[in-house]
Amino acid sequence: NAGVTQTPKFQVLKTGQSMTLQCAQDMNHEYMSWYRQDPGMGLRLIHYSVGAGITDQGEVPNGYNVSRSTTEDFPLRLLSAAPSQTSVYFCASSYSTGRYNEQFFGPGTRLTVL
Amino acid sequence: GENVEQHPSTLSVQEGDSAVIKCTYSDSASNYFPWYKQELGKGPQLIIDIRSNVGEKKDQRIAVTLNKTAKHFSLHITETQPEDSAVYFCAVYGQNFVFGPGTRLSALP
Repeated sequence: NAGVTQTPKFQVLKTGQSMTLQCAQDMNHEYMSWYRQDPGMGLRLIHYSVGAGITDQGEVPNGYNVSRSTTEDFPLRLLSAAPSQTSVYFCASSYSTGRYNEQFFGPGTRLTVL
Repeated sequence: GENVEQHPSTLSVQEGDSAVIKCTYSDSASNYFPWYKQELGKGPQLIIDIRSNVGEKKDQRIAVTLNKTAKHFSLHITETQPEDSAVYFCAVYGQNFVFGPGTRLSALP
């Protein structure tokens, strides 16, 4: 199993550009989520999904869109990048909702917005 | 919403000594408390967790204790080794996961 994979590993954008961060898992997990990690702030939940076709907002959803058309994939879209979105982004998955279930994290995408 | 504090932010211990990291939370309805270890350039990895109906859990050199009344829980690492050097995050699950800001642990030879 590859586990949770994320592409790209690094990305530099200019303000106003759009892009999609890819996330895929091969563990048949129902629950997937996106976090951003900023220095001194831990990980903050952006969006999550409890299954194909179902998504919901987390703590910091503004400026990001998600969709879940398959169990395996959960892409994160930045509609119009801003310098405040410079961060490291992690995708995670678990068998069911986070409660009592181990979350498996991807290796992360480091995004810089100029 | 839930607020999670974590202390200390950095911790240096001599190899072989013990390390303790403490987290406090605000929502008494939260009932699942995992700890994650993040090595440089990697995603966080679960190392131990505890449910609200348990006071303590051990796994070899690591243990977690929970005080629900005081709303705090702690990670204990004994016989610290160089490979324990990493950033450690506590998390609290109520409606969703809320993470603490992290503790950078350095095990000095």
